[in-house]
Amino acid sequence: KNEVEQSPQNLTAQEGEFITINCSYSVGISALHWLQQHPGGGIVSLFMLSSGKKKHGRLIATINIQEKHSSLHITASHPRDSAVYICAALPNTGNQFYFGTGTSLTVIP
Amino acid sequence: EAQVTQNPRYLITVTGKKLTVTCSQNMNHEYMSWYRQDPGLGLRQIYYSMNVEVTDKGDVPEGYKVSRKEKRNFPLILESPSPNQTSLYFCASSPIDRVGGYTFGSGTRLTVV
Repeated sequence: KNEVEQSPQNLTAQEGEFITINCSYSVGISALHWLQQHPGGGIVSLFMLSSGKKKHGRLIATINIQEKHSSLHITASHPRDSAVYICAALPNTGNQFYFGTGTSLTVIP
Repeated sequence: EAQVTQNPRYLITVTGKKLTVTCSQNMNHEYMSWYRQDPGLGLRQIYYSMNVEVTDKGDVPEGYKVSRKEKRNFPLILESPSPNQTSLYFCASSPIDRVGGYTFGSGTRLTVV
């Protein structure tokens, strides 16, 4: 059983659409990261959340600690948003991240 | 510029020939980690280090070694590579609490034939 589950696995959207990617986890966590991986492989950390909501440009990340759930939203999606989005949960105990298997997003012009 | 530098970016090698993938960070981070990424399996942790001379196994440590003699460097060593170690490898670093600033290297695509 994976401690972190992401949905959907694949997502295709038209340019301009509002996108939501979901992440559910089964352990108590101290923080959750959202990562972005573009074709070509590099990984960038988008957000670190321990509560509430964060916004950076067109990206918004929310977390509900009680429900063990986080969402990543992209407003006014653009083809350059096409990437794999990965959530990573840092548990309260232990030193390892638990990673989701990623959501592959394709935004069509 | 704050960064994690991995080398090489691409490597093709033969079974059994020892190799080292280097990782260096310039942010004075205590925590460093190695991951491999395989299709359908996502990122899996190989080894991590909480500080100098402190290393521990992740989920998939078999066939790998690491060392942390200096704070900035965390090399990954494959003593006798095998084809099942063909993968995309990432090094990452962060402050000790792992809460702020998790920075990844550019990745090393390793092929073992």
